[in-house]
Amino acid sequence: EADIYQTPRYLVIGTGKKITLECSQTMGHDKMYWYQQDPGMELHLIHYSYGVNSTEKGDLSSESTVSRIRTEHFPLTLESARPSHTSQYLCASSRGSTNEKLFFGSGTQLSVL
Amino acid sequence: DQQVKQNSPSLSVQEGRISILNCDYTNSMFDYFLWYKKYPAEGPTFLISISSIKDKNEDGRFTVFLNKSAKHLSLHIVPSQPGDSAVYFCAARHSGTYKYIFGTGTRLKVLA
Repeated sequence: EADIYQTPRYLVIGTGKKITLECSQTMGHDKMYWYQQDPGMELHLIHYSYGVNSTEKGDLSSESTVSRIRTEHFPLTLESARPSHTSQYLCASSRGSTNEKLFFGSGTQLSVL
Repeated sequence: DQQVKQNSPSLSVQEGRISILNCDYTNSMFDYFLWYKKYPAEGPTFLISISSIKDKNEDGRFTVFLNKSAKHLSLHIVPSQPGDSAVYFCAARHSGTYKYIFGTGTRLKVLA
């Protein structure tokens, strides 16, 4: 049902590397989100976008940045990865209408050594 | 301060019995509530939702109950099946925004 794609699924990199996590959706949704989740913890909202050229920081402070140049694409970038960035990163989207659910991608499991 | 709380980190239930997962929230401005199911290393999948103007919503084996005065919602799964074993997250959306706040999840194990 969900047409939202995240790549890569798994990523292991060394400290100090720059990385970009990709997220694309084909549903034409205006609203897109990035959540970060560690085992046993809640999903923390780190970035969201309500449309092209609109990005906001979420409730959890994050050293990552995002961009929204096209409706369907919402990449997340870490300029210099650190072990503390090890986590699962989940991208989601919604139409944004009343009582609209979030559709999630499969997630990227990031490990920074 | 955590606005959406799932106080039971885990729950075990026999196959065929009822599973009841609970969720409490503190913000009276939440107007839409959702339940998601999640497997390790995968994204959450939507199960069922309820608007704040309702107190019950049913979809097959899944029923969500909302008690606004107690700021409490629950998910009932009847009958429980081994394939239901996963982590369940409740989420709430703040009225007038499109931000969804999630709880910490409850790991459900259905025993065959």
